[in-house]
Amino acid sequence: DIQMTQSPSSLSASVGDRVTMTCRASQSISSFLNWYQHKPGKAPRLLIFHVSSLQSGVPSRFSGLGSGTDFTLTITNLQPEDFATYYCQQSYSIPITFGQGTRLDIK
Amino acid sequence: QEQLVQSGAEVKKPGASVKVSCKASGYTFTSYDLHWVRQATGQEIEWMGWMNPNSGDTGYARKFQGRVTITRDTSISTFYMELSSLTSGDTAVYYCARTSDYLNAFDLWGQGTKVIVSS
Repeated sequence: DIQMTQSPSSLSASVGDRVTMTCRASQSISSFLNWYQHKPGKAPRLLIFHVSSLQSGVPSRFSGLGSGTDFTLTITNLQPEDFATYYCQQSYSIPITFGQGTRLDIK
Repeated sequence: QEQLVQSGAEVKKPGASVKVSCKASGYTFTSYDLHWVRQATGQEIEWMGWMNPNSGDTGYARKFQGRVTITRDTSISTFYMELSSLTSGDTAVYYCARTSDYLNAFDLWGQGTKVIVSS
């Protein structure tokens, strides 16, 4: 199984800040890397697919980069609604696996 | 409006089975694969299995092999996930989510179904 490791596990930031979180795969997953935002009591929301493609309706302050095993999610100009937990997920091979999440808190 | 609507919360005794439904609407039922994932409180999201609604093909995570069954009823555009031999470790929120060949990502999710296993 492909292990997905996210860092940091949590981070604090303020409205208007720029934050970057990382995701590392235990083996190459090409560009089969997706990012989700998850808020308590809600279903996860797809933000980015194929490393850097923005899902319809997602603000352009979200962006993704990377290839192979190392990937990043960057959020610029943080908004109050962005404080949530973010998960990466690989769809390269079955079983599909997720990272353990990065929790983004208000400083 | 595209939606996946899941059945309501369940409380089960250890050793029992649970069957969660996921009704699709607003899109062509057979055009997207359907997956099931779960998340226990404070834990990672865990993939359980998937179904191709066209062919009926399924695939399951090794961890759940023999305990999970995914089925569908095309006449009512509904998927089902049944998990047997429940233990307290199966207490979690269960989600259905769809993928397409293009996206290879979960772009539409059900609202989640809380399953509590307790004696």
